[in-house]
Amino acid sequence: EIVMTQSPATLSMSPGERATLSCRASQSISIHLAWYQQKPGQAPRLVIYDASTRATGIPARFSGSGSGTEFTLSISSLQSEDFAVYYCQQYHYWYTFGQGTNLEIK
Amino acid sequence: EVQLVESGGGLVQPGGSLRLSCAASGFTFSNYWMSWVRQTPERGLEWVANVKQDDSAKYYVDSVKGRFSISRDNAKNSLYLQMNSLRDEDSAVYYCARGNKIAGDGIYFDNWGQGALVTVSS
Repeated sequence: EIVMTQSPATLSMSPGERATLSCRASQSISIHLAWYQQKPGQAPRLVIYDASTRATGIPARFSGSGSGTEFTLSISSLQSEDFAVYYCQQYHYWYTFGQGTNLEIK
Repeated sequence: EVQLVESGGGLVQPGGSLRLSCAASGFTFSNYWMSWVRQTPERGLEWVANVKQDDSAKYYVDSVKGRFSISRDNAKNSLYLQMNSLRDEDSAVYYCARGNKIAGDGIYFDNWGQGALVTVSS
């Protein structure tokens, strides 16, 4: 099983700041990585796929990068609606998720 | 607008059975892989099962093989998950998700339902 490890577990940021979330795979997954956003009481929402492609309707302030085992989700200028839990998911070999990063308002 | 609406969740005793349904609308259902993904506070998000567009291929996470069965009815735009021999650890919110698959690559989940809560307890 490919293990996905996200860091940090919690990230406290202020609106307008730049946020950087990390995701590491236990073995190479090429670019087969997606990022999801989940708000309380809601289903996850696709943000990024293929490591760097924004999903439909996702603002340009969201960007993804990386390949192999190291990946990053960046949010350039945090808006109030961006505070949520973010999960990474690999789809290179079956499907596994990271444990999530809680992006909270400082 | 893509919509996925789950139903059939509830409380069931260990060893019991439950069938989840997912009604899809707003897209050509028969063109997409479909999946079930579950979530608990303790274990997080876990992929459960996938089914190919024409129901010809089905895949499961090891922990549910032989107990769960995924199926679809393209005429009814519906996805199902038959869950048998339920265990305490199957308690979770179960999401129906549309799979996006590029040839030769795996699946990411581009649309999700609101979830159905399954509680396994005596």
